[in-house]
Amino acid sequence: VQLVESGGGLVRPGESLRLSCAVSEFSVSSNYMSWVRQAPGKGLEWVSVIHGGGRTYYADSVKGRFAISRDNSKNTFDLQINSLRNEDTAVYFCAISFSFSSLEYWGQGTLVTVSS
Amino acid sequence: IQLTQSPSSLSASVGDRVTITCQASQDINNYLNWYQQKPGKAPKLLIYEASNLQTGVPSRFSGSGSGTHFSFTISSLQPEDTATYYCQQYDTLPPFPFGPGTKVEIK
Repeated sequence: VQLVESGGGLVRPGESLRLSCAVSEFSVSSNYMSWVRQAPGKGLEWVSVIHGGGRTYYADSVKGRFAISRDNSKNTFDLQINSLRNEDTAVYFCAISFSFSSLEYWGQGTLVTVSS
Repeated sequence: IQLTQSPSSLSASVGDRVTITCQASQDINNYLNWYQQKPGKAPKLLIYEASNLQTGVPSRFSGSGSGTHFSFTISSLQPEDTATYYCQQYDTLPPFPFGPGTKVEIK
């Protein structure tokens, strides 16, 4: 199983960014696809999940600014991040689980740096 | 639901038994995972449902507990176990927060 993130980079506060996770071996349409982030030197922060039925959930800290979605034809899922803040600076990991349970497979992470 | 972990860090010798605890702010049944993260790497699932060893994970790792109190044990610490360990709850619906982590080092 391979998950490969893309889309990270250096952005200014207030800008938007779209992260993508390409998945092999498992279908994004029938599994639970998550984003987890880690600020430099800090712990893991659960961000969002989209489940097989399409319902989405978010951490309170990102609700209203982040949007998770998936593209079944490409077998990818995305995280749209709007109104970026300095505190959104982090490595963003995508991960897959087969229910609301354990994050079994992870990508290598993509770094988002928010700075003026 | 919030999770606390203790200790926040520890240093132990090779071969030592190491135990980390995770406490939930409310009953989460046994819906708790443990992950290992090495520097610069993605986390790795070690234990799911509080006490089930993920396939391929060495048997020196174990977990126990239910309700609000959980523990994670390395029965004989090895040099390659140097890492930060996180608990995560997944009771009912998201969000599914992680604990703050425990950094394990070799003395």
